[in-house]
Amino acid sequence: QVRLLESGPVLVKPSQTLTLTCTVSGGSVNSGDHYWGWIRQPPGKGLEWVGYIADSGSAYHNPSLKGRLSISVDRSKNLLSLKLSSVTGADTAMYYCSGAGGRIDNSNYFYRYFDYWGQGTRVTVSS
Amino acid sequence: ETVLTQSPSTLSLSTGERAALSCRASQTVISSYVAWYQQRPGQPPRLLIYGASNRATDIPDRFSGSGSGTDFTLTISRLEPEDFAIYYCGLYGSSPLLTFGPGTKVDIK
Repeated sequence: QVRLLESGPVLVKPSQTLTLTCTVSGGSVNSGDHYWGWIRQPPGKGLEWVGYIADSGSAYHNPSLKGRLSISVDRSKNLLSLKLSSVTGADTAMYYCSGAGGRIDNSNYFYRYFDYWGQGTRVTVSS
Repeated sequence: ETVLTQSPSTLSLSTGERAALSCRASQTVISSYVAWYQQRPGQPPRLLIYGASNRATDIPDRFSGSGSGTDFTLTISRLEPEDFAIYYCGLYGSSPLLTFGPGTKVDIK
């Protein structure tokens, strides 16, 4: 059974860089069947895809984060990391580590969906 | 950019009733790109439906997904107490690459 465990600071000051890690167990960040990444949820609001990374190392980011985001993996430790620079109050959220599986449909369209979720780690940006 | 709209924003029903939740895309999408997620209070989201109509692992058969084009529906045939939650539809393949609707809250009448 795949388990995702997020960790990181609870409080980050504005303009600083937020760094989160996610330990993947029961699965591998090296496998090609899942992309691994992050989804966030501001307090009382909906879900926002942050980004994910493929086994090839190619990363896909939400354009709204405008170059502030870096997602990487440590393959030896089965660890996923997020770095978000120049944070503001708008980055206050619950951050979920996630695994995105994929399928090919009957018309040969490939698609992804999030079938693995961590419990989340709450981050507040405040001075 | 494809925007997802969900309706109603809140659905008040009783245990045993049928729930139909709507997700509408601002333009035609490939049906398989639509998924549904459930989020119970204080819990992370959970995948219910992928590819518009495929139940995820261990999801009871009272949950079903349907739709095509711009209109998609999540149906819960008979509400159980644990089904009172927020439901999000999600879309792959637009810009950003993955997006979510604003959610429908199903609460107890």
